[in-house]
Amino acid sequence: KAGVTQTPRYLIKTRGQQVTLSCSPISGHRSVSWYQQTPGQGLQFLFEYFSETQRNKGNFPGRFSGRQFSNSRSEMNVSTLELGDSALYLCASSLQGDPDTQYFGPGTRLTVL
Amino acid sequence: GESVGLHLPTLSVQEGDNSIINCAYSNSASDYFIWYKQESGKGPQFIIDIRSNMDKRQGQRVTVLLNKTVKHLSLQIAATQPGDSAVYFCAETPSYTDKLIFGTGTRLQVFP
Repeated sequence: KAGVTQTPRYLIKTRGQQVTLSCSPISGHRSVSWYQQTPGQGLQFLFEYFSETQRNKGNFPGRFSGRQFSNSRSEMNVSTLELGDSALYLCASSLQGDPDTQYFGPGTRLTVL
Repeated sequence: GESVGLHLPTLSVQEGDNSIINCAYSNSASDYFIWYKQESGKGPQFIIDIRSNMDKRQGQRVTVLLNKTVKHLSLQIAATQPGDSAVYFCAETPSYTDKLIFGTGTRLQVFP
């Protein structure tokens, strides 16, 4: 069974731009969560989607948003990029959530210049 | 705020020795705990999990111990190998959510 896939793997943007990251969960998994990883803040929860609905949200500004499609694939969007948004963005999927083992993808490395 | 922390940022062990990585958690409502291993350039990889109704769980070469009284979690790796070198994270999930709260991570270095 294929693991969690994320695209693109690397991305370079400039301040003020917006970016969309994509995540395909493990087949059959319905819950998708997003995390931001930085050297200073570690791994921080962004949000979780289940059946196309945002079920949990972390403490990030409204510039960070996401959505989930009917096939459980998910996208996250960051608008008006700031230098501090440079990070590894990780997607994790689980069967049902609440709670359940989450399996991570390789991440998207975003660099904001 | 909610947090999960680690006592040692770096642990160096000799190949063949046993490793113990510790973690303190702060949320009494957490009922599910996971250890992840992250190698450079990769996403976190699931190692082992434990639910709050258990004190100990064993996997292949790994054991997780949970002490709810002092809110402490540990990961024991037997016969540590060079391939075990990575950053290890503990994570907790409060009972009311699927959100993972991660610790700061411990880097495990294995020397021959």
